[in-house]
Amino acid sequence: QKEVEQNSGPLSVPEGAIASLNCTYSDRGSQSFFWYRQYSGKSPELIMSIYSNGDKEDGRFTAQLNKASQYVSLLIRDSQPSDSATYLCAVNHREYGNKLVFGAGTILRVKS
Amino acid sequence: DGGITQSPKYLFRKEGQNVTLSCEQNLNHDAMYWYRQDPGQGLRLIYYSQIVNDFQKGDIAEGYSVSREKKESFPLTVTSAQKNPTAFYLCASSTPGTGEKLFFGSGTQLSVL
Repeated sequence: QKEVEQNSGPLSVPEGAIASLNCTYSDRGSQSFFWYRQYSGKSPELIMSIYSNGDKEDGRFTAQLNKASQYVSLLIRDSQPSDSATYLCAVNHREYGNKLVFGAGTILRVKS
Repeated sequence: DGGITQSPKYLFRKEGQNVTLSCEQNLNHDAMYWYRQDPGQGLRLIYYSQIVNDFQKGDIAEGYSVSREKKESFPLTVTSAQKNPTAFYLCASSTPGTGEKLFFGSGTQLSVL
């Protein structure tokens, strides 16, 4: 199992819909979970961080964490064409000195 | 404005040449990192530094070197030993107590002539 796994996509959703992005991780001891948005040719931008089980909401974004299932997700409500990007999941991993391990990313396309 | 500045934006390397990528931050962050990103892949850690004059190898350090003489600066040299250097290079920084929350510079695209 890869340390952090994401479906590469592309995930296509119509404008105004909810986009659901998923991520699984291998280290049961992971404590820090991040979602980054990356536009083509640009650097990753932090959009959400979550550290405890449950939901965390910030505007149109909701991060969901389930440590028992080793699963973290990102929901984007009222998706806009400007949300079209690659979304990277990052998780700290004890085997790597608690440094972040990144998934390969999920490409999201929001169609108007 | 606080942030991380990477330069140049684009860099071309000739065979056998060493090139240096610059990374400067004014966020007063203790830790700095270098990542490499290849198309369709996640970020891979090259080197990181948690304090001035100290740095550690990441997952793919071979063919790269770094220095950390100042808190604000963490340059990366891509040596001639790195046979496949074409990639997007990202510098990042973080501060203790944030669970490794990273902030990234704008990146440098390195290509081989």
